[in-house]
Amino acid sequence: AQSVAQPEDQVNVAEGNPLTVKCTYSVSGNPYLFWYVQYPNRGLQFLLKYITGDNLVKGSYGFEAEFNKSQTSFHLKKPSALVSDSALYFCAVRVSGTYKYIFGTGTRLKVLA
Amino acid sequence: DADVTQTPRNRITKTGKRIMLECSQTKGHDRMYWYRQDPGLGLRLIYYSFDVKDINKGEISDGYSVSRQAQAKFSLSLESAIPNQTALYFCATSGGTGSYNEQFFGPGTRLTVL
Repeated sequence: AQSVAQPEDQVNVAEGNPLTVKCTYSVSGNPYLFWYVQYPNRGLQFLLKYITGDNLVKGSYGFEAEFNKSQTSFHLKKPSALVSDSALYFCAVRVSGTYKYIFGTGTRLKVLA
Repeated sequence: DADVTQTPRNRITKTGKRIMLECSQTKGHDRMYWYRQDPGLGLRLIYYSFDVKDINKGEISDGYSVSRQAQAKFSLSLESAIPNQTALYFCATSGGTGSYNEQFFGPGTRLTVL
């Protein structure tokens, strides 16, 4: 079965430090992977996606993600965290051969001033 | 104006009542989705539609129904609401000919069933 796992419910990081939010996946065929962010009382917003090509994908708000095929991972990263980055982050994968998407359970990022 | 809108934004209702949540989009997308979000469970797909004549069940469709009234409108109904349907509901759209396009989400409807 195809799936997405976000092993950490919460990640705490100090402002100015690098951050990583982890995601692993299981799909058949080529993986199409996405990261979304949800701020309080808002819908999800698209951050970035991996379709093919370079393993390091750059997205909105200074975020990037590294695709690692051998480890079946797609971790979200940012070199220097901001307090305003505090939010709920979701990893998602497209189900092969469909336009359906499976979402992870979400990771709450807290950036401490 | 927002590209994907949902009404109402908040709703409190009683067990057994019929409830309709509405979603409209101005993005011109063919594909529309309904999800529910529960703490610790992420987003789960209820129903999806790839055009006006196409409706498909998601992983948790029991107790829900949908209507695609037009390309821009996709409504979710709870025929007889029960307390475990208390959740945050999101509508989403995606479009384009590529199979790898991201989704655009509405602001959500917070539903409480007493």
